[in-house]
Amino acid sequence: EAGVTQSPTHLIKTRGQQATLRCSPISGHTSVYWYQQALGLGLQFLLWYDEGEERNRGNFPPRFSGRQFPNYSSELNVNALELEDSALYLCASSLSRPGTQYFGPGTRLLVL
Amino acid sequence: EDKVVQSPLSLVVHEGDTVTLNCSYEVTNFRSLLWYKQEKKAPTFLFMLTSSGIEKKSGRLSSILDKKELSSILNITATQTGDSAIYLCALEYGNKLVFGAGTILRVKS
Repeated sequence: EAGVTQSPTHLIKTRGQQATLRCSPISGHTSVYWYQQALGLGLQFLLWYDEGEERNRGNFPPRFSGRQFPNYSSELNVNALELEDSALYLCASSLSRPGTQYFGPGTRLLVL
Repeated sequence: EDKVVQSPLSLVVHEGDTVTLNCSYEVTNFRSLLWYKQEKKAPTFLFMLTSSGIEKKSGRLSSILDKKELSSILNITATQTGDSAIYLCALEYGNKLVFGAGTILRVKS
């Protein structure tokens, strides 16, 4: 069974640009979660999508947004990039409730 | 606001040692507590704990939840260099997982 996949693995952008990160959940999982892990910090919850709807949102500004497609894959968009957005962005999926989540390998975003 | 606090922040041990990692939390109305191991990028699931006092075991790893003390411990016996990783504790509540900052474990050969 294929795990959670994310693309790209690395992304380099400059301040003010937009970044788009992609995630494909484990087959059969309907929920997708996004986390930010900045250097030296724990995982910070960003967004939770389930059945195409945004179910919950962490304490991040509106320039962090996303969506979930009918095939349950998801995109995370970060607009007006700032230097402090440099981090590892992890996507996870689960069957429904947040409980046991399975993580993808992450996208490392560097903002110059 | 630190709702999930892990200790120690980092730990260096020798192969064969036994380690105990701690996770304490503030909320009481959570659904479950989870432990993950993060080596390079993707955290991998270890345990989910929902009931107090019931130990979960997987090989050399075990974990237990103490709802009275608002804490959980993760034990690793006979440590190996492959156990070197960041160990993350997370609480499931409010339709999300809230993670602690993690414990960095380094096992020296």
